[in-house]
Amino acid sequence: GNSVTQMEGPVTLSEEAFLTINCTYTATGYPSLFWYVQYPGEGLQLLLKATKADDKGSNKGFEATYRKETTSFHLEKGSVQVSDSAVYFCALRLSGGSNYKLTFGKGTLLTVNP
Amino acid sequence: EAGVVQSPRYKIIEKKQPVAFWCNPISGHNTLYWYLQNLGQGPELLIRYENEEAVDDSQLPKDRFSAERLKGVDSTLKIQPAELGDSAVYLCASSSREGPTDTQYFGPGTRLTVL
Repeated sequence: GNSVTQMEGPVTLSEEAFLTINCTYTATGYPSLFWYVQYPGEGLQLLLKATKADDKGSNKGFEATYRKETTSFHLEKGSVQVSDSAVYFCALRLSGGSNYKLTFGKGTLLTVNP
Repeated sequence: EAGVVQSPRYKIIEKKQPVAFWCNPISGHNTLYWYLQNLGQGPELLIRYENEEAVDDSQLPKDRFSAERLKGVDSTLKIQPAELGDSAVYLCASSSREGPTDTQYFGPGTRLTVL
């Protein structure tokens, strides 16, 4: 089946530190890949996405590259801020047929300290 | 543009009681989703609507859960009777057209606690 595996949290960093959250996937087809962010008390928001191999998604200083050879979509940011504290979800979505549901990882809690 | 609206935001009920959640999607979005998010887990799809038609309800526990989307706009998700294990966050999302790369916009969710 299709699945997403994220690194276990929580992740605690100091402001301006480098961030990497690992994400790997298993899929029967050619998925699109997403990172969603959930701030405290809010709904999930799309952070970035990539639809094919070697695509790089980027937004708000975050980046992730679709690596088909390693089935990975790791999230990175060069310098985190306190406001980046949130839960981050990696997700995939297959094309074709009638199944377009998002399959999510378990989420990674990030806390950034001043 | 208003986002996806859900109500109530929080609900506490006794087990065996019924409960209903309401969702108003973004205006013009034909596709509506209900997801279940257990504590420490990612959301899992319960049901997907295209307009008023439920096109994927394979993950909906039909013995106690039901959903409707009258006139292809607002949607209601109901649980009757609720069980302790139903305590979770229920998320509604919508998108403008169905496709593998279309963005799903999520509401803030309804946090259900069953005592």
